[in-house]
Amino acid sequence: QQQVKQSPQSLIVQKGGISIINCAYENTAFDYFPWYQQFPGKGPALLIAIRPDVSEKKEGRFTISFNKSAKQFSLHIMDSQPGDSATYFCAASMAGGSEKLVFGKGMKLTVNP
Amino acid sequence: EAGVTQFPSHSVIEKGQTVTLRCDPISGHDNLYWYRRVMGKEIKFLLHFVKESKQDESGMPNNRFLAERTGGTYSTLKVQPAELEDSGVYFCASSQGARNGYTFGSGTRLTVV
Repeated sequence: QQQVKQSPQSLIVQKGGISIINCAYENTAFDYFPWYQQFPGKGPALLIAIRPDVSEKKEGRFTISFNKSAKQFSLHIMDSQPGDSATYFCAASMAGGSEKLVFGKGMKLTVNP
Repeated sequence: EAGVTQFPSHSVIEKGQTVTLRCDPISGHDNLYWYRRVMGKEIKFLLHFVKESKQDESGMPNNRFLAERTGGTYSTLKVQPAELEDSGVYFCASSQGARNGYTFGSGTRLTVV
């Protein structure tokens, strides 16, 4: 049973385009929703994160939109660049205990020049 | 500041052999996590240390996996005996406490043949 479902599995966009990655979660106890970016041969690196008390968070070209009632959140990459080509993971965790991250399956983004 | 260091970066072993993975967290980080990504699947939590104590090992697949953290510093993850389904990338992460302070290592790619 997958607690965090991510789609699409892969995406190809042209330079300058918008990349959108969607995630849905099951557990309403989740209270922290980060997005990680991973380049080949490297570990995941935190890109941007949101908590459920806000509906949107923007950092540069990256924006998270959060819909608490629908239990969905998404990452928008504006003006996509070839350097954004990487695998993106959404994740969720809940406060208390180990605060472990529950990840989606990941999405491989390719931005063509 | 040095990041999280994992070695080896790659390991190819035969079914039935033993392998030990090592993780050196960022100095001063009390929290150390192990995660694993099997090909095509999500990154899954294995266990969490706070200093030298195991706080949560609910993600450990079975008793062929043994994790230790000597003196609250580096950690090892031993697989004995290895099975084909143990193949994947094993990530270590450390943090000082906050969930958004996670830093991942580059991972160890384990292939069991």
